[in-house]
Amino acid sequence: EDQVTQSPEALRLQEGESSSLNCSYTVSGLRGLFWYRQDPGKGPEFLFTLYSAGEEKEKERLKATLTKKESFLHITAPKPEDSATYLCAVRGGDYKLSFGAGTTVTVRA
Amino acid sequence: DVKVTQSSRYLVKRTGEKVFLECVQDMDHENMFWYRQDPGLGLRLIYFSYDVKMKEKGDIPEGYSVSREKKERFSLILESASTNQTSMYLCASSSRTSTDTQYFGPGTRLTVL
Repeated sequence: EDQVTQSPEALRLQEGESSSLNCSYTVSGLRGLFWYRQDPGKGPEFLFTLYSAGEEKEKERLKATLTKKESFLHITAPKPEDSATYLCAVRGGDYKLSFGAGTTVTVRA
Repeated sequence: DVKVTQSSRYLVKRTGEKVFLECVQDMDHENMFWYRQDPGLGLRLIYFSYDVKMKEKGDIPEGYSVSREKKERFSLILESASTNQTSMYLCASSSRTSTDTQYFGPGTRLTVL
């Protein structure tokens, strides 16, 4: 069974204070690792897909990296508008995604 | 842009009622999914469909059924709502391509009294 563990559960940052979120996974035959952002009361918004170890993707202040066992989401010089819950998910051999419980990031001005 | 819409943002029902949640996507995606999201548990897959009239059980299908009569529409049915089905329900869709990214709707917050 595919498993995804995200840490920490919550992260409080000062504006401009860079940090990283971790997503550890076990999956038989990784077909993709996905990062989503979710604002309170809304559906998840797609950010990145990573397919192979060593791959990196960037979007504004966010950068996602992938190894064979984990992925990191780096937030560089965050702003209050980066406050959200960040979800990690993996896809194995079928169409299903397995999600982690998420990391809630709060950025204070 | 992909657009996934859900019929209601908020819904309040009574125990024992039959509940229909509707999801529509406008990108001609083959795959559609229903999840529920609860605090501390993350998103859990209820049912998914990879084609019209096809359905597959997810991880927590008990107490739910689905219907997919048209490619763009996927319905989740609670045959007899119970209080433990109070949750946020999220619909998603994806195409059967190598990118396989799932796009989510805004969610329906269902409360069963």
